[in-house]
Amino acid sequence: GQQLNQSPQSMFIQEGEDVSMNCTSSSIFNTWLWYKQDPGEGPVLLIALYKAGELTSNGRLTAQFGITRKDSFLNISASIPSDVGIYFCAGLRSGGSNYKLTFGKGTLLTVNP
Amino acid sequence: GAVVSQHPSWVICKSGTSVKIECRSLDFQATTMFWYRQFPKQSLMLMATSNEGSKATYEQGVEKDKFLINHASLTLSTLTVTSAHPEDSSFYICSALDLYRYTFGSGTRLTVV
Repeated sequence: GQQLNQSPQSMFIQEGEDVSMNCTSSSIFNTWLWYKQDPGEGPVLLIALYKAGELTSNGRLTAQFGITRKDSFLNISASIPSDVGIYFCAGLRSGGSNYKLTFGKGTLLTVNP
Repeated sequence: GAVVSQHPSWVICKSGTSVKIECRSLDFQATTMFWYRQFPKQSLMLMATSNEGSKATYEQGVEKDKFLINHASLTLSTLTVTSAHPEDSSFYICSALDLYRYTFGSGTRLTVV
């Protein structure tokens, strides 16, 4: 099936540092979504991107939809301990009856106080 | 905002028994729901797509007779793990689609002993 390459796989940072993670694909996606998952919970939507080149912010989070529609990045500024968790990118190739999301493998973020 | 309730949050069952997991959209109607399985430190793996009033569409490699899905109403989908075995132990997550918004349940931790 379609794969999304998400990197890095894990990050260990100090509180206050900025974080960047990205996803790439060999195919075009019409929508990019970024989720955060806490242990034992379901993913929670952070940012949704719908247009190529779109740059969207949500508090300390900023995400961009790549101009080629094959990539996206997520930045977290001034990290805090509660940012700890797994971050997933997900792509949607809408059209017809296909509404299935394709997920990246996740980035495990650890923030040291 | 959209809320998806998933129950139970955790369940322990004996090998050979069946377990039913419920997924409800609380404040919107979801014609399409998705069921995922997640192993520790891994991404979400789509098991099946559930459409209200019709048979579920299963991903390749997912046993239809093992994982029974019913989507009897616009707000409820159920996943029944039949004749469960220890290898079925996993974290199961549902997601409900409302227009282009995907909302996830909080997941169910299934342990088969």
